[in-house]
Amino acid sequence: KQEVTQIPAALSVPEGENLVLNCSFTDSAIYNLQWFRQDPGKGLTSLLLIQSSQREQTSGRLNASLDKSSGRSTLYIAASQPGDSATYLCAVMEEYGNKLVFGAGTILRVKS
Amino acid sequence: DGGITQSPKYLFRKEGQNVTLSCEQNLNHDAMYWYRQDPGQGLRLIYYSQIVNDFQKGDIAEGYSVSREKKESFPLTVTSAQKNPTAFYLCATRQGRTEAFFGQGTRLTVV
Repeated sequence: KQEVTQIPAALSVPEGENLVLNCSFTDSAIYNLQWFRQDPGKGLTSLLLIQSSQREQTSGRLNASLDKSSGRSTLYIAASQPGDSATYLCAVMEEYGNKLVFGAGTILRVKS
Repeated sequence: DGGITQSPKYLFRKEGQNVTLSCEQNLNHDAMYWYRQDPGQGLRLIYYSQIVNDFQKGDIAEGYSVSREKKESFPLTVTSAQKNPTAFYLCATRQGRTEAFFGQGTRLTVV
C-alpha cells in the first residue's frame, strides 16, 4: 500500500529565506506527483504537477523536483513571503490506479 | 465562472440524522472524488466516480453513500451509520490522469 510522508510537519522561517519541503513515498510505481497549497478552512489549490518521466517543474518562485527511483520529491520556495504561509500537501497518483494518495502536509509560517 | 462548487460551507448534523453534501462542477471532467480531512492527517478517499452511473469505494467508505446520475454532480450522503462524521469534506475533479482540482470544502459538525 502506497504511503506518503511529509517532513517537517511544521516549519517557521523569517521572511526572505529560501526553504525546502520534503515528500517521500514508499512505492516508486507512480504516474505523477502533485503539490498543493491549503489555506486555513479552504480547499486545495494546485501548485505543480510533475509527471513520472520528469525531473522538475517550476512556477514562479516554486520549484518541485522528483526522484522517482528513490521515492522522493522536494518543493523549493525561493525568497519566502508572509503570504506563503499555508499548509503544503503532496499527493501521488499510482501508476496502475486512479487514486491520489496524500501526505499529512507541512504547515509553513513565514514571519515578517 | 468555471470551477467546483461545494455546498453548504458549514453543516450541522444531529445524532441519527442523514445529511447530504453537494458537489457540482462545470469543468466537464469525467472523474469526481470525495475526500475527508481530519486535523493533522492527510486527505482520505471516501468514494470516487470515473463516469456517470458508476462509482467505487475508497479507503473509508463505511457510513457514506454517493450517486452519480449526472456528469456535473456527485453528492455525498453521510448516514447515521457514520459514527464520527465531524470533519472537513473536500470534493475534487480530474480529467483523465491529469491535474486534480478541488472545491472549497464543507465543514460538517455533529451537534
